[in-house]
Amino acid sequence: NAGVTQTPKFRVLKTGQSMTLLCAQDMNHEYMYWYRQDPGMGLRLIHYSVGEGTTAKGEVPDGYNVSRLKKQNFLLGLESAAPSQTSVYFCASSRPSGLSYEQYFGPGTRLTVT
Amino acid sequence: KNQVEQSPQSLIILEGKNCTLQCNYTVSPFSNLRWYKQDTGRGPVSLTIMTFSENTKSNGRYTATLDADTKQSSLHITASQLSDSASYICVVVNQAGTALIFGKGTTLSVSS
Repeated sequence: NAGVTQTPKFRVLKTGQSMTLLCAQDMNHEYMYWYRQDPGMGLRLIHYSVGEGTTAKGEVPDGYNVSRLKKQNFLLGLESAAPSQTSVYFCASSRPSGLSYEQYFGPGTRLTVT
Repeated sequence: KNQVEQSPQSLIILEGKNCTLQCNYTVSPFSNLRWYKQDTGRGPVSLTIMTFSENTKSNGRYTATLDADTKQSSLHITASQLSDSASYICVVVNQAGTALIFGKGTTLSVSS
C-alpha cells in the first residue's frame, strides 16, 4: 500500500513551458486535492475533486488546470509556467466519512520556474 | 476573514524537555481542528483531529487541547525526541467541511 505518490519529485521549468504533475493514490479514496506551499505561508488549495470526472476550483486556481479521468489519479497542469508558480506542490486524498475525514498527503513536488 | 495564527514561529528545545505550541483561529463556526506534523521535504501527517465538542485528544506523546470559547488550541509535546524536529501545522475546517484553513506552522528543533 503506497498511499499517495507524486511524480516527479523535482522539476525546473523555464517561463512559458508547460508540464503536468501526476498524483496517484491506492486507497480507493473519493476525494483528491492539489495544494501549494510557499515559504512563510500556509498550504493553499489549488483545485480539488470529489469523484472521478469532477473537479472544482480552490483558493488559488489561476494558471492551473486539473483532470480526474480515473479515480486513482489526479493531474495538475501548468499550461504556461510563470516564476510565481515556483513552489512545492502537495497532493492529498481522503474518504468522505463525515466532517472529520482525514487527508493523506503525498511527498510533494518541488517546482522551480526560471 | 477566516484566519489561523500559530505561535511561536520557531522554537528550539533540548531533547527530553516538554513544549507547547499555540494556535488561535477566527474560523467560526467550524467543524474540526487538526494538528499535522511535517518533516522537512515531506508531506504533512495527521497527529490529531478534534471536533468542536472535544476538549482534548492524545496521540502518544502529543496532546492537543481545544477551547472553542476562546478559539484557541494547543499542542503539547512530552519528553521531546530528536525525531520531533519538524514543522507543526494547525488546520481549522469550516462547518460545512468544504474548506481547510492552514496556519503557517511552528518550526520545532530538538537538540541533544
